[in-house]
Amino acid sequence: KNQVEQSPQSLIILEGKNCTLQCNYTVSPFSNLRWYKQDTGRGPVSLTIMTFSENTKSNGRYTATLDADTKQSSLHITASQLSDSASYICVGDTGTASKLTFGTGTRLQVTL
Amino acid sequence: EAGVAQSPRYKIIEKRQSVAFWCNPISGHATLYWYQQILGQGPKLLIQFQNNGVVDDSQLPKDRFSAERLKGVDSTLKIQPAKLEDSAVYLCASSLAGLEQFFGPGTRLTVL
Repeated sequence: KNQVEQSPQSLIILEGKNCTLQCNYTVSPFSNLRWYKQDTGRGPVSLTIMTFSENTKSNGRYTATLDADTKQSSLHITASQLSDSASYICVGDTGTASKLTFGTGTRLQVTL
Repeated sequence: EAGVAQSPRYKIIEKRQSVAFWCNPISGHATLYWYQQILGQGPKLLIQFQNNGVVDDSQLPKDRFSAERLKGVDSTLKIQPAKLEDSAVYLCASSLAGLEQFFGPGTRLTVL
């Protein structure tokens, strides 16, 4: 059964600090690994999409890494801002009719 | 480019009542998805359309849920009769070539 596990479940950091969110996935066959940001009351927005041959991808202050051997991914947020407060969801894609396996997300709160 | 539109944004009904949600995907996107997102969980795929045909409805509770996409553009998702456990956010997403999915803002359903 395909599975995506994320940690921590929630995180509180001070504005300006960096943080790293973790994702372990078991997705077969594996096509790509995605990170989404979901603001409260909004739909998820794609941050990065990585195939098995990519081990890092950046989108502004967001940098995702992928280790296809250990089936782990991380999302690093640099110099956090209040607007980064959201849930971050890791998603595995089998590439089969775009079937996605969603993690339960990490809820990040950035405070002053 | 206009995003995925959904309505209503919020709906409160009593159990055993019926409810319908509407989704207008991004223009030209052939693939449309309906997801159910229960509080604290990642989205769960209910149904996937390719144009006006169903690709995957394996997780749709067909005894009470139905969905259609008659002209291959807009889609409606209906629940009849609703149960307490149907309280969730219903997300609609669309994609052009099956790679990146763009999500709408969702409809938050509360069943009392």
